[in-house]
Amino acid sequence: DQQVKQNSPSLSVQEGRISILNCDYTNSMFDYFLWYKKYPAEGPTFLISISSIKDKNEDGRFTVFLNKSAKHLSLHIVPSQPGDSAVYFCAASVYGNQFYFGTGTSLTVIP
Amino acid sequence: DAGVIQSPRHEVTEMGQEVTLRCKPISGHNSLFWYRQTMMRGLELLIYFNNNVPIDDSGMPEDRFSAKMPNASFSTLKIQPSEPRDSAVYFCASSPMGQGELDYTFGSGTRLTVV
Repeated sequence: DQQVKQNSPSLSVQEGRISILNCDYTNSMFDYFLWYKKYPAEGPTFLISISSIKDKNEDGRFTVFLNKSAKHLSLHIVPSQPGDSAVYFCAASVYGNQFYFGTGTSLTVIP
Repeated sequence: DAGVIQSPRHEVTEMGQEVTLRCKPISGHNSLFWYRQTMMRGLELLIYFNNNVPIDDSGMPEDRFSAKMPNASFSTLKIQPSEPRDSAVYFCASSPMGQGELDYTFGSGTRLTVV
């Protein structure tokens, strides 16, 4: 059973606009969350993280929001750039244990 | 450090053949993970090792799959016999779990095609 879900397989956004990628999880014990970015023919690379003691974490153009009551997190990219085109995976864990990954969302930023 | 190194990058094999995928984790990382990427399930954890010991292999699809980690610098994932439905990209990742950092470093993956 998929404990971490990304219900949008793909997303297209115009360059300069905001990209919002969503992720839902089912296990209320999860307390640490990551976003990974994956280019074709490469392994996923770490992008940004958030722990359950926060509801927002920002790193440059990337911000992750966590809504614990809704078991939902989102990744905002502002402004979106063509180089952001990639597959984005969210992942969740109980701190110190293995991560469970979602199915990924393929983002295309249109110049 | 060269990162997590996987070999081969691509493997094409005939159904029924044995396939061995290899992984060298980052030196000093004490945890190693094998993932399979498919369209339907995304990044699916197959097995993970901590200090060379298998901790959770519940994701291994069936007895045709086996994984070993004979030492801290090497792991293999073997499929015998291989089937066309095993075709996927297999990733290895390592992490210094329990040592402060919590994110995984992934290798570039092995694209397996079973015909």
